[in-house]
Amino acid sequence: AQTVTQSQPEMSVQEAETVTLSCTYDTSESDYYLFWYKQPPSRQMILVIRQEAYKQQNATENRFSVNFQKAAKSFSLKISDSQLGDAAMYFCAYRASRGGTYKYIFGTGTRLKVLA
Amino acid sequence: DADVTQTPRNRITKTGKRIMLECSQTKGHDRMYWYRQDPGLGLRLIYYSFDVKDINKGEISDGYSVSRQAQAKFSLSLESAIPNQTALYFCATSDSGRGTDTQYFGPGTRLTVL
Repeated sequence: AQTVTQSQPEMSVQEAETVTLSCTYDTSESDYYLFWYKQPPSRQMILVIRQEAYKQQNATENRFSVNFQKAAKSFSLKISDSQLGDAAMYFCAYRASRGGTYKYIFGTGTRLKVLA
Repeated sequence: DADVTQTPRNRITKTGKRIMLECSQTKGHDRMYWYRQDPGLGLRLIYYSFDVKDINKGEISDGYSVSRQAQAKFSLSLESAIPNQTALYFCATSDSGRGTDTQYFGPGTRLTVL
């Protein structure tokens, strides 16, 4: 069975600095998708970034980028120039790509604190 | 206006009561999902629906039922609420026509069962 592990329950970063959140997963599939979602205090789950496993190039979205290491089954999120508004819970999620395997597997989350 | 809406946003109820949580979407997506979030456990899937006539159980469906009234509406019912159903509930939607089938979430409903 697929699993997603976020081993850092909580992280802190100074404003304007860079922080990396870790995520590892376990799967026997070769094709799949990976996601990072952000959950601020408002509770809304917001998509931050997604990565298709067949793409070697790491996804980037403005200040957010990933380090996707397929062989190591690692999918870390790097936040550059951290801002106070980045403070939130961050969830890593996995989804197999084959039809019918709709299911998202979520990690337990990492709480990010941004220090002024 | 939000693409995925949930009502109510907060609800306090008593053990044994029947309660319904509603989800509506204007994204035109065919797939809809219900999750619950508990501290330290991430999100767990309760039910999902790929279209109006297709409803499936997720990993924690016991004690819950759902209804897909239309493509845009998906409701979750607790027939007889119990305290361990106290949680944050999310509705999500996705479009099967897009390869990544990315899920988009509603704002959540905080349910407390006393």
